[in-house]
Amino acid sequence: LAKTTQPISMDSYEGQEVNITCSHNNIATNDYITWYQQFPSQGPRFIIQGYKTKVTNEVASLFIPADRKSSTLSLPRVSLSDTAVYYCLVGDDYGGSQGNLIFGKGTKLSVKP
Amino acid sequence: EPEVTQTPSHQVTQMGQEVILRCVPISNHLYFYWYRQILGQKVEFLVSFYNNEISEKSEIFDDQFSVERPDGSNFTLKIRSTKLEDSAMYFCASSEAGPSYEQYFGPGTRLTVT
Repeated sequence: LAKTTQPISMDSYEGQEVNITCSHNNIATNDYITWYQQFPSQGPRFIIQGYKTKVTNEVASLFIPADRKSSTLSLPRVSLSDTAVYYCLVGDDYGGSQGNLIFGKGTKLSVKP
Repeated sequence: EPEVTQTPSHQVTQMGQEVILRCVPISNHLYFYWYRQILGQKVEFLVSFYNNEISEKSEIFDDQFSVERPDGSNFTLKIRSTKLEDSAMYFCASSEAGPSYEQYFGPGTRLTVT
């Protein structure tokens, strides 16, 4: 599984756009990029997944450059309730590889009023 | 929206005792997982389960751990002889198809070993 590197923490204010970048230099051809969110004392929650270019859903956008060695999770207009830890994961389950989720330490986002 | 449920929410046990943590995955999901998170640390994969057998397990999942799907709805994690270092939050998750598909996590069981 490709190793990921992301900032340990980030601060933001309500209403701002937050971009969290994740590096995954050893990403494999079959790997997808997935982001999870975790609030204190709760299980992780899937946010978004992509393979290349841009993916957008009702919660966030995911930008993936052509070389796929990094990705950026974009949260538009954050609120206090977006304060959480955000995990970037890379893996696949094709070709016999199980690609089970391997969590890193994540990025702790603190949104201030 | 369907959700994964776990019981109990908090379990206190003495060192050396056996515990069983229970999970009810989402009904049409085929893959099931257990993770743990020691307080203040990262989420760690323990085991994945598919088609009534273990698909993959981590180094943490040693002989003291076992999983079972005793019926069509429950998925359990048993720790035979608990140690102090087993104290953690244990999360169950399920996915419709494969680990890289969206995994739905339960609220967790906080296990405290004294």
